[in-house]
Amino acid sequence: EIVLTQSPGTLSLSPGERATLSCRTSQSVSNTYLAWYQHKPGQAPRLLIYGASSRATGIPDRFSGSGSGTDFTLTISRLEAEDCAVYYCQQYGRSPPMYTFGQGTKLEIK
Amino acid sequence: QVQLQESGPGLVKPSGTLSLTCAVSGDSSISSNWWSWVRQPPGKGLEWIGEIYHSGNTNYNPSLKSRVTISMDKSKNQFSLNLNSVTAADTAVYYCAREGFGGYHLAYWGQGTLVTVSS
Repeated sequence: EIVLTQSPGTLSLSPGERATLSCRTSQSVSNTYLAWYQHKPGQAPRLLIYGASSRATGIPDRFSGSGSGTDFTLTISRLEAEDCAVYYCQQYGRSPPMYTFGQGTKLEIK
Repeated sequence: QVQLQESGPGLVKPSGTLSLTCAVSGDSSISSNWWSWVRQPPGKGLEWIGEIYHSGNTNYNPSLKSRVTISMDKSKNQFSLNLNSVTAADTAVYYCAREGFGGYHLAYWGQGTLVTVSS
């Protein structure tokens, strides 16, 4: 089973700054199987990025995903107050077939 | 637009069975795609429970596999989760979700329902 480790645990930045969130996997993962979500309290998780770098429908271009192998990054440029949330990376493994989530990065906007 | 809505008891007794249903509506039929259940215990992260394909094939999280059954009712366009022998550790917000185009990510989610395990 592949383990996803996200860092930092908490990130505190000001509006207009850039956020860089990291996701490291315990084994190499195909880009096809790597996704990122935004989760706000009381709401459903929202898909941001799939296939490591493809933005989901309706996601602003301030959100971008990159990386390969075991190191993946979610970048949020020009931070806005509404970006305050917990962000999760996710991979889909084939043996056994299952989804696995990282532990999350909490983004605070000062 | 794809819409998912969870329903079921909000309180389950320890050692009992947690049963939830996810009703699918909008521009989606349960007769295609993979359909998942995900949960979030209070103060913790997301945990995938399992998924079902329109053919009836299922995959489960190995850590829950012995206690979980996911099924579907195509006539009602809904799928269900049964989790038996529950304990307080199963207290969580439970979400149903559907894979996105191309698979391997969850593009559509229900709003979630809180299930508390307590006597």
